[in-house]
Amino acid sequence: KQEVTQIPAALSVPEGENLVLNCSFTDSAIYNLQWFRQDPGKGLTSLLLIQSSQREQTSGRLNASLDKSSGRSTLYIAASQPGDSATYLCAVRGTSGSRLTFGEGTQLTVNP
Amino acid sequence: DARVTQTPRHKVTEMGQEVTMRCQPILGHNTVFWYRQTMMQGLELLAYFRNRAPLDDSGMPKDRFSAEMPDATLATLKIQPSEPRDSAVYFCASVNPGLGYEQYFGPGTRLTVT
Repeated sequence: KQEVTQIPAALSVPEGENLVLNCSFTDSAIYNLQWFRQDPGKGLTSLLLIQSSQREQTSGRLNASLDKSSGRSTLYIAASQPGDSATYLCAVRGTSGSRLTFGEGTQLTVNP
Repeated sequence: DARVTQTPRHKVTEMGQEVTMRCQPILGHNTVFWYRQTMMQGLELLAYFRNRAPLDDSGMPKDRFSAEMPDATLATLKIQPSEPRDSAVYFCASVNPGLGYEQYFGPGTRLTVT
């Protein structure tokens, strides 16, 4: 059974800092990995999708990497801003079936 | 700007009443998921459909929950009778498998059962 772990559970940083969020998964047989952001009281917004054959994806100040063999992904946020404050979730889709397995999330606070 | 829509956004009801939540997936997305999110359990997959056919509803309490897709533009989740433990945020998500299988979530229905 796939298990997804995100470390740290919470992170507080000053504005402008570069930061890394970590995601690990136990079964390396994945189809893809997706990073989401969730603001309080809102739905999940897809940030980046990495297919199993890819090593990284970039969107603006965000860069996500994938090391399938070691079961790890990182989300790098450059020059953090208070508007980046949210909960970040990673989720993996296995090679069979369509369900996503979610981590518990990292709650990020960026202080002005 | 294509997005998943859900109605109602908020619902307060009394225990024992029927609750119906609706979801309109993004046009062209043929796979639709229902999730429930609580502080205690996090995100749980309840059921999902492909081409309107249910593929997996193992996460759903069968005695009171039912999910259907009467057509390609509408998915419904019903609870009858509702119980206080059903209080949660219910999300719908949709996917176009031909576009890398990226899931797009709706804004959710916040359900409170008193």
